[in-house]
Amino acid sequence: GAGVSQSPSNKVTEKGKDVELRCDPISGHTALYWYRQSLGQGLEFLIYFQGNSAPDKSGLPSDRFSAERTGGSVSTLTIQRTQQEDSAVYLCASSLGGGANQPQHFGDGTRLSIL
Amino acid sequence: AQSVAQPEDQVNVAEGNPLTVKCTYSVSGNPYLFWYVQYPNRGLQFLLKYITGDNLVKGSYGFEAEFNKSQTSFHLKKPSALVSDSALYFCAVGGGSGNTGKLIFGQGTTLQVKP
Repeated sequence: GAGVSQSPSNKVTEKGKDVELRCDPISGHTALYWYRQSLGQGLEFLIYFQGNSAPDKSGLPSDRFSAERTGGSVSTLTIQRTQQEDSAVYLCASSLGGGANQPQHFGDGTRLSIL
Repeated sequence: AQSVAQPEDQVNVAEGNPLTVKCTYSVSGNPYLFWYVQYPNRGLQFLLKYITGDNLVKGSYGFEAEFNKSQTSFHLKKPSALVSDSALYFCAVGGGSGNTGKLIFGQGTTLQVKP
């Protein structure tokens, strides 16, 4: 079946621009997660959604980062006024439930490059 | 606070030999432990998990891992390595007190299997 889909796969933008990254989870998965993967920081948790609510936003690095999820499905991660340190691969994952015992299924990520 | 350590940046083995990729964790409460594999320019693929029960967990592609509570370890193993196993491997921990389902990842270990 279809896995987690992320778009765009690559995004190059100038410093100071806003970007939107999209995640389409596996159908029926109620939990959705965003992570960031960078050379210096490894894999970092950003935000967790259960349905349309975000009970854990503790990983968002600054108020330039926001995310929403609509209809319990698609999620968008928005980065405003991008900075060079935002360059990374942004990974989305979904799981059947929100429990920590559920394996998360990952998309292939969006590679974001800030010039 | 939860944490995961993968002490080896890289592991080199010859094809056909057994392999071990090490992982230790720190968590308050009961841990949920996961191994994921990442191929170049791809997202993470779930290999196996330990939630409770038998300390030896079997997963995809012939991989297994052993949970050792006293040593707080969860090493990944395979009896006979394949060249196609060459990839980046991540250990992750979830669960514990107050966890919302997010995963905390180790820094990753590159496995190189030589013919």
